[in-house]
Amino acid sequence: DTEVTQTPKHLVMGMTNKKSLKCEQHMGHRAMYWYKQKAKKPPELMFVYSYEKLSINESVPSRFSPECPNSSLLNLHLHALQPEDSALYLCASSQEPTGGLVNEQFFGPGTRLTVL
Amino acid sequence: AQSVTQPDIHITVSEGASLELRCNYSYGATPYLFWYVQSPGQGLQLLLKYFSGDTLVQGIKGFEAEFKRSQSSFNLRKPSVHWSDAAEYFCAVGARGYGGSQGNLIFGKGTKLSVKP
Repeated sequence: DTEVTQTPKHLVMGMTNKKSLKCEQHMGHRAMYWYKQKAKKPPELMFVYSYEKLSINESVPSRFSPECPNSSLLNLHLHALQPEDSALYLCASSQEPTGGLVNEQFFGPGTRLTVL
Repeated sequence: AQSVTQPDIHITVSEGASLELRCNYSYGATPYLFWYVQSPGQGLQLLLKYFSGDTLVQGIKGFEAEFKRSQSSFNLRKPSVHWSDAAEYFCAVGARGYGGSQGNLIFGKGTKLSVKP
C-alpha cells in the first residue's frame, strides 16, 4: 500500500469553528508532514513529525495545532481560522531520513479548506 | 541557501510534441532532486528522483530527467506529450538537515503545462 489518505476532501468552516483534518498512511513511514498550498503556488511546509514527535514547526500560527497519535496517523486541529487560511492542505509521509538526508515524500490528495 | 528555480511559469505544447521543463537548483553539496506532478485539486505525485549514480533517470508516465552538475540543472523531458500530461509540475531539492534536524524538500514555483490538441 503506497497511499496516503486524507479526510475530509472538502471542508467549509466559520472563523469560530473547531475542526480537524486527518491523514493516514500504512507504508511504515516514520516521518509525516503537513503542507499548505495556495492557488498557483508550491506547497509550503507547516509541520514535520519524526517518530511521532514534532521536529519542525515552520512558525505556524497557534490556531493550527498538529497531533500525531501514532505512527500511521496525523491530525491537524483547526481553531479560530481566518479567511486567508483557505487553501489546500496536503499531508505527506516518507521514510525517516538518516543523517539529515531527504527521502522521497508521498503525498495525499489534500483537503480543500474554505474559511468563511 | 538552497533554492530551486523553474524559469517557465507556463508552457504550451501540442499533443505528440516533445517536452522539456527546466529546473535549476542552488545547493552546496550533491543534491537529492525530485520532480512532482499535480493535477488540479489533487495531491502531488512523484515522477522521478535523483539521489546518485546515473545522471539520466527514468520515471513514470514516460518521463525522464537529466542531472547536470556543471549547469546545476535537472530538466524534465518527455519525447511525446499526451493530453493527460496537462498539469502543474514542481521540481524540488532535498535539503540536508543540520544539527540533528530533519532534512526537507524545497520546491520551485512550478511550471504549468498546457497541451494543445
